[in-house]
Amino acid sequence: DGGITQSPKYLFRKEGQNVTLSCEQNLNHDAMYWYRQDPGQGLRLIYYSQIVNDFQKGDIAEGYSVSREKKESFPLTVTSAQKNPTAFYLCASTEGTLSPLHFGNGTRLTVT
Amino acid sequence: GEDVEQSLFLSVREGDSSVINCTYTDSSSTYLYWYKQEPGAGLQLLTYIFSNMDMKQDQRLTVLLNKKDKHLSLRIADTQTGDSAIYFCAEILNYGGATNKLIFGTGTLLAVQP
Repeated sequence: DGGITQSPKYLFRKEGQNVTLSCEQNLNHDAMYWYRQDPGQGLRLIYYSQIVNDFQKGDIAEGYSVSREKKESFPLTVTSAQKNPTAFYLCASTEGTLSPLHFGNGTRLTVT
Repeated sequence: GEDVEQSLFLSVREGDSSVINCTYTDSSSTYLYWYKQEPGAGLQLLTYIFSNMDMKQDQRLTVLLNKKDKHLSLRIADTQTGDSAIYFCAEILNYGGATNKLIFGTGTLLAVQP
């Protein structure tokens, strides 16, 4: 079955540590996205990538970094510069410019 | 503007119809989507409507689009307890070429009472 896999489902880190969230898709989609979800705020776009080896900042990119070395993979690193990293992180992909997004099941990151 | 607004909460009884509303501000949006999110999970695409349509029906789901008022609604007929979830509307804006952006509403929590 094709889909998007995010791992781990839950992640705990100490403040000041960088942490990388994994996102893998086998849908052969070109475009991939990272969103952050906080209660009552909907989804906010962190980074997106339209093709391999290219990515752009979204609305809240500060404190985050990404890479897109392979079509299937779009890992997100939450750095120590991100002031409020505790959140639910969602990865998504799409096959075309105006196609709907397909989402993974998310990673809940808790930083203490 | 790129705001998408939804009411935060809706409570209905099992078997009743649910209507979830959404307003958006950018008239250049092309597609509008409804997603469902169950607790602790990602977003599942429920249905979508192209901006030149007024209505789309898909089994228990009916989407109505009033482009003049920039108002989108999702009606769920015969609501079941399994429909309890957060529902997001989203609009996709195309800025030309391969550049597009998906704007999400804040989500409506639908609680279905047995």
